[in-house]
Amino acid sequence: KNEVEQSPQNLTAQEGEFITINCSYSVGISALHWLQQHPGGGIVSLFMLSSGKKKHGRLIATINIQEKHSSLHITASHPRDSAVYICAVNRNGGSRLTFGEGTQLTVNP
Amino acid sequence: DAMVIQNPRYQVTQFGKPVTLSCSQTLNHNVMYWYQQKSSQAPKLLFHYYDKDFNNEADTPDNFQSRRPNTSFCFLDIRSPGLGDAAMYLCATSRGSGLQETQYFGPGTRLLVL
Repeated sequence: KNEVEQSPQNLTAQEGEFITINCSYSVGISALHWLQQHPGGGIVSLFMLSSGKKKHGRLIATINIQEKHSSLHITASHPRDSAVYICAVNRNGGSRLTFGEGTQLTVNP
Repeated sequence: DAMVIQNPRYQVTQFGKPVTLSCSQTLNHNVMYWYQQKSSQAPKLLFHYYDKDFNNEADTPDNFQSRRPNTSFCFLDIRSPGLGDAAMYLCATSRGSGLQETQYFGPGTRLLVL
């Protein structure tokens, strides 16, 4: 069992839909990251969370430390949101990242 | 303005022919990481430098080496590439000031081994 698990693995949505991607982890963490990877490879950091909720534009990330769960929400989805979204954690005592397998999101016009 | 730069973006090499991938950063970060990412898989950490201190992951093959001649540059050397080494190689940096840090990724170098 992976220490960081994401669901779903693949998600297809229509433009304008509200999207939720989930991440569960089984280790103690100091922070959780949501990353975006477009085709072609480059990774962009979207959020770093250690508690509560953060919002940036149409993106919202939440974390529940007691339940060891985080969600990434995209409101009013757009085809340009199509990418792989990766959840990663800093385990307690380290700055290295442990990655989930990623969620491939496709938003159709 | 590019902050983590990787060259080249695409690299083709022959089986067994040494290859070097390059990463540079304008952020003056202490920590630099090299990841290998194969298709549809999560990035896998190969090694990282904290300043000049080299930290190798236990399962990184000996075929992979790294050099960091100064703060700005870090190189990944693959001594004898095999077909299984074809992958995207990602460089990342972080400040190195604490346990909760954002990592800044480069665009990656896609390596093809013929």
